[in-house]
Amino acid sequence: GESVGLHLPTLSVQEGDNSIINCAYSNSASDYFIWYKQESGKGPQFIIDIRSNMDKRQGQRVTVLLNKTVKHLSLQIAATQPGDSAVYFCAFTSSGSARQLTFGSGTQLTVLP
Amino acid sequence: GAVVSQHPSRVICKSGTSVKIECRSLDFQATTMFWYRQFPKKSLMLMATSNEGSKATYEQGVEKDKFLINHASLTLSTLTVTSAHPEDSSFYICSASRLAGVYNEQFFGPGTRLTVL
Repeated sequence: GESVGLHLPTLSVQEGDNSIINCAYSNSASDYFIWYKQESGKGPQFIIDIRSNMDKRQGQRVTVLLNKTVKHLSLQIAATQPGDSAVYFCAFTSSGSARQLTFGSGTQLTVLP
Repeated sequence: GAVVSQHPSRVICKSGTSVKIECRSLDFQATTMFWYRQFPKKSLMLMATSNEGSKATYEQGVEKDKFLINHASLTLSTLTVTSAHPEDSSFYICSASRLAGVYNEQFFGPGTRLTVL
């Protein structure tokens, strides 16, 4: 699998506002997408996933949108809370990829009081 | 839920020594385990894919003699960093996978911080 080792972009939002984190992918064969949250010094934590036969999926306070035409994925967090401060990674795979995940570069979300 | 543990969580060693990191799936049998390396403020980089009872598949640029992987059972995989040097200092994360339909479902361990002096 490949991963992009870029420096993390950052997003700062006021507590209570909505956050939108974006991710682009390049492999048109990708058909399963996942968002992870990683707090400092910890492993990634599953947030929400979506399959390519869907364009939107909602969880508790989170929504994932998938636009396969432009190969774009976004994570929306409603009413952002201080505990949401973390690095968020998108990851993607395909059914024929030997179960390997490819990780995006990640976004550092900081929630301001 | 599916829980993956790693041990140790943090290790400091002298240059030239070897360090073993364990990854365990606590409540499920993992068909595949993955080892990642993460530098500060960077994304996860896949190092190798490990299937129980077979040799690990290493990603390009990862030295298999440097990073020894053993996957002795469906719940345990180990990564040994041999003859460690300061440039091996990093955050190492494992994940364990169980098949969910046709897609993998990976569960991540808490990571191991390796510091080589």
